[in-house]
Amino acid sequence: GENVEQHPSTLSVQEGDSAVIKCTYSDSASNYFPWYKQELGKRPQLIIDIRSNVGEKKDQRIAVTLNKTAKHFSLHITETQPEDSAVYFCAASLLMTTDSWGKLQFGAGTQVVVTP
Amino acid sequence: DGGITQSPKYLFRKEGQNVTLSCEQNLNHDAMYWYRQDPGQGLRLIYYSQIVNDFQKGDIAEGYSVSREKKESFPLTVTSAQKNPTAFYLCASSIGTGSEAFFGQGTRLTVV
Repeated sequence: GENVEQHPSTLSVQEGDSAVIKCTYSDSASNYFPWYKQELGKRPQLIIDIRSNVGEKKDQRIAVTLNKTAKHFSLHITETQPEDSAVYFCAASLLMTTDSWGKLQFGAGTQVVVTP
Repeated sequence: DGGITQSPKYLFRKEGQNVTLSCEQNLNHDAMYWYRQDPGQGLRLIYYSQIVNDFQKGDIAEGYSVSREKKESFPLTVTSAQKNPTAFYLCASSIGTGSEAFFGQGTRLTVV
C-alpha cells in the first residue's frame, strides 16, 4: 500500500525567510497530492494541491512541486509570516486499484514555527 | 449551514467499554474517512469508505469498526479490543478520489 514520508518533523524559520517541506510517496499509482495546514486546536484545512499531470502549482506565497519520476513533492512557503506557524501535512491519494482505491494517506506532519 | 459534524467533542470511556463516535456530513460527499491523531504521529488512517455499504480498512483498523448505511453518516466504534484508544479522532469527507477533503472538528476520546 501507499506510504507517505514527510521531512522535517519540525522547522524553525525567521520571519521573511522561506520554508520548504518535502514528502515522498511509494505507490506510483497515486495521482493527487494535497497539502493541509492545521493551526493549534483547529481542524486541518487544504491550502494547496497538485495532480500528477502538472509539475508545479503556485498560490500567492505558497507553491508545490511534484517530481513523479522520483516520487516526491514539496511545499514551498516564501516570505514567511508568524501566521504561517502551524502543522503542515502532505498527503497522497491512490487511483483505483484492486484493494486500496480512494485511500487518502497522510504524512506525519511538520511543525513550522515562524519567529518574528 | 453545510459541513461535516463530529459529536461529541469530548468523550470519556471506561476501560472495557465500546464507544461510538458520530460523523455526519451534508455536503453530498461520497467518500468519508476516519483518522486518529496522536502527538508527533500525524494523521493515521483507520477506515475509509468510497460509497454507501462499502468501506475499507486503513493502516490501524484493529480494535475499530465502522458502518456506512447512509451516505451522510460514517460512525466509528472504538471497541474494547483497542489497546490504547485515548486519542484525537478526526472524520473527513470528500466528493471522491482526488478532491479536497473537509474535516470535522474532531472528538477527543479519553479512557478513564
